[in-house]
Amino acid sequence: DQQVKQNSPSLSVQEGRISILNCDYTNSMFDYFLWYKKYPAEGPTFLISISSIKDKNEDGRFTVFLNKSAKHLSLHIVPSQPGDSAVYFCAASPGGSQGNLIFGKGTKLSVKP
Amino acid sequence: DAMVIQNPRYQVTQFGKPVTLSCSQTLNHNVMYWYQQKSSQAPKLLFHYYDKDFNNEADTPDNFQSRRPNTSFCFLDIRSPGLGDAAMYLCATSNGLAVYNEQFFGPGTRLTVL
Repeated sequence: DQQVKQNSPSLSVQEGRISILNCDYTNSMFDYFLWYKKYPAEGPTFLISISSIKDKNEDGRFTVFLNKSAKHLSLHIVPSQPGDSAVYFCAASPGGSQGNLIFGKGTKLSVKP
Repeated sequence: DAMVIQNPRYQVTQFGKPVTLSCSQTLNHNVMYWYQQKSSQAPKLLFHYYDKDFNNEADTPDNFQSRRPNTSFCFLDIRSPGLGDAAMYLCATSNGLAVYNEQFFGPGTRLTVL
């Protein structure tokens, strides 16, 4: 039973446009959310996070939005670059210990030149 | 560069033959994690060590064991691999268990069970 869902296995975007990756969760106890980025043959690397006390967190071209009432978060990449092509994982934590991160299945983003 | 290293990158074993995957880190982090990621699935936490304290996830099969002889190394032992254990195994480390302590991942070991 998936608690973190990324319903789009893949997304293709033109360079310079916005990429929007979506994530839904079911557990209302989750209070911290993270996005990880994974290139082929490498491990996932942390990208950006958001606490449930916020509804937006921005870091350069990357912004994460959290809608707690809808149990939905999204990652916006503006402008998208070919180097952003990777698999993006959404993850959630019930707070306190990060030891039990719950991951989604990932969305493969392709940014075309 | 400080990093998380997993060896081997690819491991082939036979059904029922014990196999050990290894992870080492130069980050000097006190927490080490093992995740299992099956094809097209989400990474799933198997267990983690906080220093020498072992924490098993409730649904991790008994077939999976782990050892952490020192801060730098952590091993994943699969006592009797089944076909269903074929997966990518990811090791990660963090400097503490708080939610804001970033997890750093190794590149993974892909296990094939014949």
